[in-house]
Amino acid sequence: GDSVTQMEGPVTLSEEAFLTINCTYTATGYPSLFWYVQYPGEGLQLLLKATKADDKGSNKGFEATYRKETTSFHLEKGSVQVSDSAVYFCALSDQGNTPLVFGKGTRLSVIA
Amino acid sequence: DGGITQSPKYLFRKEGQNVTLSCEQNLNHDAMYWYRQDPGQGLRLIYYSQIVNDFQKGDIAEGYSVSREKKESFPLTVTSAQKNPTAFYLCASSISGLDLTYGYTFGSGTRLTVV
Repeated sequence: GDSVTQMEGPVTLSEEAFLTINCTYTATGYPSLFWYVQYPGEGLQLLLKATKADDKGSNKGFEATYRKETTSFHLEKGSVQVSDSAVYFCALSDQGNTPLVFGKGTRLSVIA
Repeated sequence: DGGITQSPKYLFRKEGQNVTLSCEQNLNHDAMYWYRQDPGQGLRLIYYSQIVNDFQKGDIAEGYSVSREKKESFPLTVTSAQKNPTAFYLCASSISGLDLTYGYTFGSGTRLTVV
């Protein structure tokens, strides 16, 4: 079946550091890929997405590129802020028409 | 503003009691979903509905039931058959269940504690 694997956290960074959170996937079809962010005690918010190979999703300084050859969708940000502290989830929808499958999440803590 | 409302935010129930979690959306979305979130486990799909009066089991449907009598509403009942019901429950919706390229909109969740 479909699955998403994220790097385990927690990840702790100093403010203005570079962030990478790795995400790889397994899918039977051609998936759409997503990153969601969850702040404490809240639901998830869509951060960015990509629907075909080599697409780059971007939002709020975060970026991720759909790499079909390596089945990856790594999340990056050049300079993190304390306000970026949250849990980040990578997810896929196979063929873009099946319920989303989520990774286990990666907790990011940014310290001033 | 359009969105998804889950209520209540916190819910406490005694073991052996059924409990119903509410999920309402005013986004005019066709599809709705229930996920369960446990620490270190990510989100696991319980049930989903692509259209009114129709729903499908997800990966962990045992001990849960749903209904979809109205487009706006997708309540989840946690029955006494659910062995470990204490968790954070998330409801989501999408424009269509057949086109998820735009992803989901999530509610803010209900934390259920069974004592």
